[in-house]
Amino acid sequence: DTGVSQDPRHKITKRGQNVTFRCDPISEHNRLYWYRQTLGQGPEFLTYFQNEAQLEKSRLLSDRFSAERPKGSFSTLEIQRTEQGDSAMYLCASSLEGNSVRGNTIYFGEGSWLTVV
Amino acid sequence: QKEVEQNSGPLSVPEGAIASLNCTYSDRGSQSFFWYRQYSGKSPELIMSIYSNGDKEDGRFTAQLNKASQYVSLLIRDSQPSDSATYLCAVPRKVAGSARQLTFGSGTQLTVLP
Repeated sequence: DTGVSQDPRHKITKRGQNVTFRCDPISEHNRLYWYRQTLGQGPEFLTYFQNEAQLEKSRLLSDRFSAERPKGSFSTLEIQRTEQGDSAMYLCASSLEGNSVRGNTIYFGEGSWLTVV
Repeated sequence: QKEVEQNSGPLSVPEGAIASLNCTYSDRGSQSFFWYRQYSGKSPELIMSIYSNGDKEDGRFTAQLNKASQYVSLLIRDSQPSDSATYLCAVPRKVAGSARQLTFGSGTQLTVLP
């Protein structure tokens, strides 16, 4: 059983450049989430997909951020014109569908660290 | 008031002692609660979930829930140096349909001293 996979694990980029992160959720999970975590804080919700539909976006997700899940499997998170404040760990997570324990249990990938210099 | 609050610590306990981690939440309608462990530089790892008032035990871990007081805690018995990590409390918040996203506290950093 493979867990949630994220790529790349680390990315250093210059301010103003675009970056893209990829997430492969657990294979039978149709819910997918993106979170962002900065030092000393808990993860903050960015966006949620049910299959290929993006159903919720946080106000933290500015216009420079875009996420897709074109076939309801893997997802990408793109950050355009990166700023130093974008430096964080970007976490992808997935869960099964359902309104019970299994639907509420969210599993995280190993994260993608972004450093904007 | 933050949705989920935790003491940031750091909390230090000697090896073999009981570590007690606390969390309060603001939404009285919350039905389920999660504890994640996060080692430095790593992603959060689910260790416990609790849905009903009272205690839930899993090995050395016990989660305690008091919905009337809007309080959830995590006890770690016989603490080991390998338990040294940041512990995150999380509460689901509705996003769309039946889906929930987790709102996290800022975490409590635990150090178990050998």
